[in-house]
Amino acid sequence: QVQLMQSGAEVQKPGASVKVSCEASGYIFTDHYIHWVRQAPGQRPEWLGWVKPNTGDTNYAQIFQGRVTMTRDTSISTAYMALSSLRSDDTAMFYCARGNRDTFDIWGQGTMVTVSS
Amino acid sequence: IQMTQSPSTLSASVGDRVTITCRASQSISDWLAWFQQKPGKAPKLLIYKASTLESGVPSRFSGSGSGTEFTLTISSLQPDDFATYYCQQYNSYWTFGQGTKVEIK
Repeated sequence: QVQLMQSGAEVQKPGASVKVSCEASGYIFTDHYIHWVRQAPGQRPEWLGWVKPNTGDTNYAQIFQGRVTMTRDTSISTAYMALSSLRSDDTAMFYCARGNRDTFDIWGQGTMVTVSS
Repeated sequence: IQMTQSPSTLSASVGDRVTITCRASQSISDWLAWFQQKPGKAPKLLIYKASTLESGVPSRFSGSGSGTEFTLTISSLQPDDFATYYCQQYNSYWTFGQGTKVEIK
């Protein structure tokens, strides 16, 4: 079945970086964009950006420009999201999601990132 | 584009008809989706293009609207439907409403 499997929970110190992976299965990886979404506890989801798997092109939300980097490895059908200069308010669940019909039809299970000294 | 949902919390009983409203700060045509999220889980796509039901989603869910005002209706609330619902616009990038929690009355 179509699914996205994300890497495990992370605990990082303020100022550090984190890299989350998202492995796709059950469909052709290069046929769909991969989006990344952040959701802080009790808050609405917030779009971070997308990576286009067949070309590596990216588009980031303005508020994350300069701090986020999205990449992919087509040989293993995996997308990555790296976030640098972590702050306490980056503590959140991070999701990857497949782009389809211009929205997000399949989501990963989420990766909890905790930023704490 | 800002998305605003009402109400923020809704108390209802099994079998009730439930309606959630979502308003956009500017016209988004029908580029609107609805998601259901349960605690500790990822959001699940219910409806896209304002009124098109995603495959596998029960027909008791329906969506309507265009421009700036949209509704999600659950015709007869079931125990599995108690969750938080988010609208999402995708006319210009992607933004979500603040959510509506449907809880047991």
